[in-house]
Amino acid sequence: GQNIDQPTEMTATEGAIVQINCTYQTSGFNGLFWYQQHAGEAPTFLSYNVLDGLEEKGRFSSFLSRSKGYSYLLLKELQMKDSASYLCAVRGLKAAGNKLTFGGGTRVLVKP
Amino acid sequence: DGGITQSPKYLFRKEGQNVTLSCEQNLNHDAMYWYRQDPGQGLRLIYYSQIVNDFQKGDIAEGYSVSREKKESFPLTVTSAQKNPTAFYLCASRPAEAGAWGYTFGSGTRLTVV
Repeated sequence: GQNIDQPTEMTATEGAIVQINCTYQTSGFNGLFWYQQHAGEAPTFLSYNVLDGLEEKGRFSSFLSRSKGYSYLLLKELQMKDSASYLCAVRGLKAAGNKLTFGGGTRVLVKP
Repeated sequence: DGGITQSPKYLFRKEGQNVTLSCEQNLNHDAMYWYRQDPGQGLRLIYYSQIVNDFQKGDIAEGYSVSREKKESFPLTVTSAQKNPTAFYLCASRPAEAGAWGYTFGSGTRLTVV
C-alpha cells in the first residue's frame, strides 16, 4: 500500500518562500505529482518528478529523493493567489492501474 | 474543447436513497477514476477502470458501484449502504500511456445528504 504524509497547514507572508515537505512509503513508485487545489475546485497540475533531483518551473520547484521517500514543493515570491491546498500524490505501477494516491494536503495561507 | 464533465455540480440526497453521479470525457482516454474528498483532506480512490467493461475497487469502494459500458462514460452510484456519503466527488481520466501530463480532473460534484 501507500502512505503519504505532509503537514496540515502552513502560513507565510506575501513575497516570501514556503517549502512543503512530503514523505511517502509505497509498494510501487512510478512518479510523484504536486497539485494545487482551491476550495471547491478540481486539483490543477503543478509538477512531476520521477527521477531524483530538482525540477523548476517559474516560481514553483519540486524536489525528489527516491531513496529517502521524500519530496518537497518550493513556492517562491508568494502571491495572495497562492493561498490554496497543495496535494502530494504518488503514482503506482502500471500493473496496478497507474493509480494516484494522495496525501492529506497542505493548506497554505498567504498573509499580506 | 476536450475535457471531463461532471454533473450535477451540487446534489442532495435523502437518507436511504441511491444517487448516480455522471462523469463523461471526450478526450478518448482509456482509464477513468473516481475519488472522494472530505473537508480539509486529500483525495481517496473509490473505483477505477482501465478499459471498457472492466473496473477495480479502490481504497474505499464499500457502498459505491460503477459501470464502464462506454469508453467516454464512468458513472458512480452512491448506494444507501454508504453510511457517510456527504463529500466532494472528483472524476479523473488518463490515456493508456500517460506521462506527467496525463491526468485530467473534472470540476467535481458536491453531494449532501439531507
